[in-house]
Amino acid sequence: GQQLNQSPQSMFIQEGEDVSMNCTSSSIFNTWLWYKQDPGEGPVLLIALYKAGELTSNGRLTAQFGITRKDSFLNISASIPSDVGIYFCAGPPGANSKLTFGKGITLSVRP
Amino acid sequence: SQTIHQWPATLVQPVGSPLSLECTVEGTSNPNLYWYRQAAGRGLQLLFYSVGIGQISSEVPQNLSASRPQDRQFILSSKKLLLSDSGFYLCAWSLGKKNIQYFGAGTRLSVL
Repeated sequence: GQQLNQSPQSMFIQEGEDVSMNCTSSSIFNTWLWYKQDPGEGPVLLIALYKAGELTSNGRLTAQFGITRKDSFLNISASIPSDVGIYFCAGPPGANSKLTFGKGITLSVRP
Repeated sequence: SQTIHQWPATLVQPVGSPLSLECTVEGTSNPNLYWYRQAAGRGLQLLFYSVGIGQISSEVPQNLSASRPQDRQFILSSKKLLLSDSGFYLCAWSLGKKNIQYFGAGTRLSVL
């Protein structure tokens, strides 16, 4: 089946730094979603992307839908301690409502 | 607005005991419902999904089952828990063809 690849598994940054994460697929996706999961909680939707090339911001977060439709990027600017968590990319592998999730990137922010 | 509730938040059960986790959605009708398991704070594994009352699709063979007795209620069950059933269980909902899923707060299950 279609898979979404996220790497590295973990990222460690200093408070105030910017960080970029990407998500790639061998297949075309028509929607890209980015979720964040705080420790011990369920994932929360950050940004949804629906068009190739689309660039969308949500506060300090910016995500882009890759032109090839096989990748997406999430950028966090001026990181703060509460940015700690697991960041998942996700997309629907076809016309139904199920989602394929990447394995997630665990972000740690050093104060 | 729509909300999703899962309970209990944490559960410790002995091996061989039964399990029942409940998920309910408020503020919407005919949602698609999902059960996921997350091991060791990593990826999400889809266990079951449902597009309507009594309609359950299983994604992986396992010791668990799901039921949807009402439109906005989704239950995850087991007759006899195994150690390997330990994990973080998440319920989610979506509407129609929209692919965005909204998650509950999860249930941490420890099987001892």
